[in-house]
Amino acid sequence: GAVVSQHPSRVICKSGTSVKIECRSLDFQATTMFWYRQFPKKSLMLMATSNEGSKATYEQGVEKDKFLINHASLTLSTLTVTSAHPEDSSFYICSATSGGAYNEQFFGPGTRLTVL
Amino acid sequence: GIQVEQSPPDLILQEGANSTLRCNFSDSVNNLQWFHQNPWGQLINLFYIPSGTKQNGRLSATTVATERYSLLYISSSQTTDSGVYFCAVWRAGGTSYGKLTFGQGTILTVHP
Repeated sequence: GAVVSQHPSRVICKSGTSVKIECRSLDFQATTMFWYRQFPKKSLMLMATSNEGSKATYEQGVEKDKFLINHASLTLSTLTVTSAHPEDSSFYICSATSGGAYNEQFFGPGTRLTVL
Repeated sequence: GIQVEQSPPDLILQEGANSTLRCNFSDSVNNLQWFHQNPWGQLINLFYIPSGTKQNGRLSATTVATERYSLLYISSSQTTDSGVYFCAVWRAGGTSYGKLTFGQGTILTVHP
């Protein structure tokens, strides 16, 4: 199956700093990448959809200035949490798909962010 | 938007037992996926099954799109099957189109 990596797997930062999370498709070109957030014992919530070379589409309630998404190439998307605060602490997961809009999605291993 | 309901919410089994997990969805879908989230948080693709039946080892899945449900069967369960099982659907148009909508998951615990 297709492989998606995320880096870092875990990050602890101080309140007010910015954190960048990378999502890479290792063995396929990802036309579309998605960013999710998961709270403990909860389901995944879609934050935004990004297509290579285009601006990301954010879900309602997600602050685009807070969560900056860049999809610079067909294998890399980044999520930057700007001026992080403790309430941004969460598990962030990316996914990627190579084909049409509703093709099978493959997920990265996730990044656990803790903001002190 | 589309509603996705999974049942049961929790399931406890003895090793070797069989189980059936259900996913109901409220509208037509173009895509349905089953995932297993392991204790480290990794989502593992089990099936891409918008319709029909598929099998992979001890696991099989059936989606009856016209009746808007999918079933995941786990046979001869093992302790490594423990974790959370998610169903996710991609709605065929309207609101919720353009994204996977996840159910709340079934937490499976398999005891030795």
